[in-house]
Amino acid sequence: SQTIHQWPATLVQPVGSPLSLECTVEGTSNPNLYWYRQAAGRGLQLLFYSVGIGQISSEVPQNLSASRPQDRQFILSSKKLLLSDSGFYLCAWSVTQSNAGELFFGEGSRLTVL
Amino acid sequence: AQSVTQPDIHITVSEGASLELRCNYSYGATPYLFWYVQSPGQGLQLLLKYFSGDTLVQGIKGFEAEFKRSQSSFNLRKPSVHWSDAAEYFCAVGVFGNEKLTFGTGTRLTIIP
Repeated sequence: SQTIHQWPATLVQPVGSPLSLECTVEGTSNPNLYWYRQAAGRGLQLLFYSVGIGQISSEVPQNLSASRPQDRQFILSSKKLLLSDSGFYLCAWSVTQSNAGELFFGEGSRLTVL
Repeated sequence: AQSVTQPDIHITVSEGASLELRCNYSYGATPYLFWYVQSPGQGLQLLLKYFSGDTLVQGIKGFEAEFKRSQSSFNLRKPSVHWSDAAEYFCAVGVFGNEKLTFGTGTRLTIIP
């Protein structure tokens, strides 16, 4: 069966420090991968998605970047964190070319920027 | 582009009472529709989905949802809620050929004894 893991689960970082959140999917090949952010009391905002290695689409301009160095690995990064980057980050995957978009989510990573 | 609206930000229901969470979508054709649940500090879990066919969809944990094309709605229902149902519920819409879901802003469900 397929599984998805994110780490770290919790992170407290000072403003201006770098960030790296990692997401790995097991049990499937060539998945679509997504990074969402959920700010306190708000819905899900799609940040990035990827349909293949090295292919990244950015949904909103911001202080973050994403990379997909391997088929089942998706990394969310920042060179210098802002206070507004605080939130709950969710990685998700879907079956490539499913045309349905059903997503499977990781456990989430809570980032607090101080 | 598709959109989805969850008009209720917060709903409080007594344990054992029935529940209905509203979801309205906007899209020119038949969309794919989903309900997800999120417990505090957790990821999202799929409750149920509608792709085609029978408009009444059964999901996990005793939930069901009905697709009503005439009302552009996909409301989530449960006949008798349990304290463990307290969570955030998200409706989402997908469309053919687009591999991104659009999520509603969520409805927070509180259960009182």
